[in-house]
Amino acid sequence: QKEVEQDPGPLSVPEGAIVSLNCTYSNSAFQYFMWYRQYSRKGPELLMYTYSSGNKEDGRFTAQVDKSSKYISLFIRDSQPSDSATYLCAMSDYGNNRLAFGKGNQVVVIP
Amino acid sequence: DTGVSQNPRHKITKRGQNVTFRCDPISEHNRLYWYRQTLGQGPEFLTYFQNEAQLEKSRLLSDRFSAERPKGSFSTLEIQRTEQGDSAMYLCASSFPRTSGGWDTGELFFGEGSRLTVL
Repeated sequence: QKEVEQDPGPLSVPEGAIVSLNCTYSNSAFQYFMWYRQYSRKGPELLMYTYSSGNKEDGRFTAQVDKSSKYISLFIRDSQPSDSATYLCAMSDYGNNRLAFGKGNQVVVIP
Repeated sequence: DTGVSQNPRHKITKRGQNVTFRCDPISEHNRLYWYRQTLGQGPEFLTYFQNEAQLEKSRLLSDRFSAERPKGSFSTLEIQRTEQGDSAMYLCASSFPRTSGGWDTGELFFGEGSRLTVL
């Protein structure tokens, strides 16, 4: 079993819809949780960074962490075609040291 | 300097050849990371440096792989005797650590990667 599980199935949504993504993990030592966005042929860029459990909101993006269930989520409200990308969850026990990534979800927002 | 720079962007080589990738981090960043990403997978950690010191290496980094950061600025990743399984995107990232309990919690900035194809 991988440390981080992310269902890699592609997701197509109409513009304006809410996108919901999630990851589960097995390592209870993880306490730093991140979501990265990766456009085709580009490196990942940080979207959200959360420490421990709770919710964090930044504009149209909301990240949730439930450490008791080892489950993290990312919600994108009012999705735009420019949100079309692959979204990767990542986590670690010591900040940026040795991030464990999920496989990524390819999201397509249809105008 | 607007970001992490990686060269070459794409390298095609024959099995058994040696290849070297270079990463120039954002100038004030003293932490530098190497990751490998294969198609349809998330990045996998390989190694990281703080200044010129290599502080951690993954088990993925076999004896054929060597990374250096001689003056604490740019870094090189060399793969000797390449195998077809080495075909991947090699990503470099850098950060200026904001420490929390001694851990780097600063934002990680990734380069665009160096894609290796081994024939």
